Amino acid sequence: DGGITQSPKYLFRKEGQNVTLSCEQNLNHDAMYWYRQDPGQGLRLIYYSQIVNDFQKGDIAEGYSVSREKKESFPLTVTSAQKNPTAFYLCASRLGNGETQYFGPGTRLLVL
Amino acid sequence: SQQGEEDPQALSIQEGENATMNCSYKTSINNLQWYRQNSGRGLVHLILIRSNEREKHSGRLRVTLDTSKKSSSLLITASRAADTASYFCATSQYGSGNTGKLIFGQGTTLQVKP
Repeated sequence: DGGITQSPKYLFRKEGQNVTLSCEQNLNHDAMYWYRQDPGQGLRLIYYSQIVNDFQKGDIAEGYSVSREKKESFPLTVTSAQKNPTAFYLCASRLGNGETQYFGPGTRLLVL
Repeated sequence: SQQGEEDPQALSIQEGENATMNCSYKTSINNLQWYRQNSGRGLVHLILIRSNEREKHSGRLRVTLDTSKKSSSLLITASRAADTASYFCATSQYGSGNTGKLIFGQGTTLQVKP
């Protein structure tokens, strides 16, 4: 069953804590993306990676970090520097020179 | 920065009616895409229209693109309750190379009443 999986579905963060959101794909896609979605808003790009061991900042990278050690995995860490982390986080991937993105089901991050 | 602005923000219609939503953008594009999001879920790609195309159809979906006005519209004909969702336009900016970066609008929330 191919696709993109994100875990957990819900994540709770305590103040000052770093948390990591998982994104895995078995589509053999090259590029992967992390977006943040606030209520009633569109998606804003946090980070993206076009190839293993390489990634670039998006429009709102401050307070976030990523790694791309494997083609199928692109975890996102929300650091304590991100002062307003409550949002819905979406991971997406893209095959080669393809123009469309395929999305995971999302992780909702809440602050305790 | 968000490129697309969508109109209306919310739309409520009866089943069987047509739904039209509009998207405006600011800079030159390679293509414009429409995605659908059911509440609390990920996005699903619906249709893509390239900058040199004016109209495209897919099933009950019809998309138009007017590059002179920097705008696009999505028409859903004969709507069904299952079409209830948020719809987003996303643009691939001209000059973005092969990054695949998309800029999303704020979305139109469609409610189709049975």
